[in-house]
Amino acid sequence: AQKITQTQPGMFVQEKEAVTLDCTYDTSDPSYGLFWYKQPSSGEMIFLIYQGSYDQQNATEGRYSLNFQKARKSANLVISASQLGDSAMYFCAMRAGNSASKIIFGSGTRLSIRP
Amino acid sequence: DVKVTQSSRYLVKRTGEKVFLECVQDMDHENMFWYRQDPGLGLRLIYFSYDVKMKEKGDIPEGYSVSREKKERFSLILESASTNQTSMYLCASSPGTGALYRDTQYFGPGTRLTVL
Repeated sequence: AQKITQTQPGMFVQEKEAVTLDCTYDTSDPSYGLFWYKQPSSGEMIFLIYQGSYDQQNATEGRYSLNFQKARKSANLVISASQLGDSAMYFCAMRAGNSASKIIFGSGTRLSIRP
Repeated sequence: DVKVTQSSRYLVKRTGEKVFLECVQDMDHENMFWYRQDPGLGLRLIYFSYDVKMKEKGDIPEGYSVSREKKERFSLILESASTNQTSMYLCASSPGTGALYRDTQYFGPGTRLTVL
């Protein structure tokens, strides 16, 4: 069975600090993609970063990086120099194999940035 | 930039009404999706479409239908709205080219539907 687990329901971080949001996954398929999305209070789901199972290097997009540890089946999101605008829900998601539909989302982590 | 738009941000309807939620994408994406998001239940896939006039059921299709007459537009229809369909509805699209596991979904702003 495929599964995404986010164990941190909520986190508080001081502005300008780095923050790591945890994500572990489970799949038996060797081909999979891992995604992180940000959902502000407005409701829109914003794509942040992607990591493929065959990618040799960790993905980076501006202040976002993905700490991909394949053997441990973890794909943690790292946000450097956090900003007040980073306050939002963050979802880890996975798509495995050749299913056109099945992107599985975790339960999310609510990140709050303190000024 | 990918742009996915939804016809309404907020919608209030009465039980029994027929409700149309419209979604439009401007990136010539092959795939389009409808999800609903509820507290404690996360995002659940209602329907998706991988081509014009093609559709497949997701995890919770009951009470919903969809229409995709043009590539850029994907409509979600609630034939007879019920109070348990009060939810946040999110539309997404993805390119549909290359390996499917790399196919990134881009979401619209969402529609908060309340059925009274």
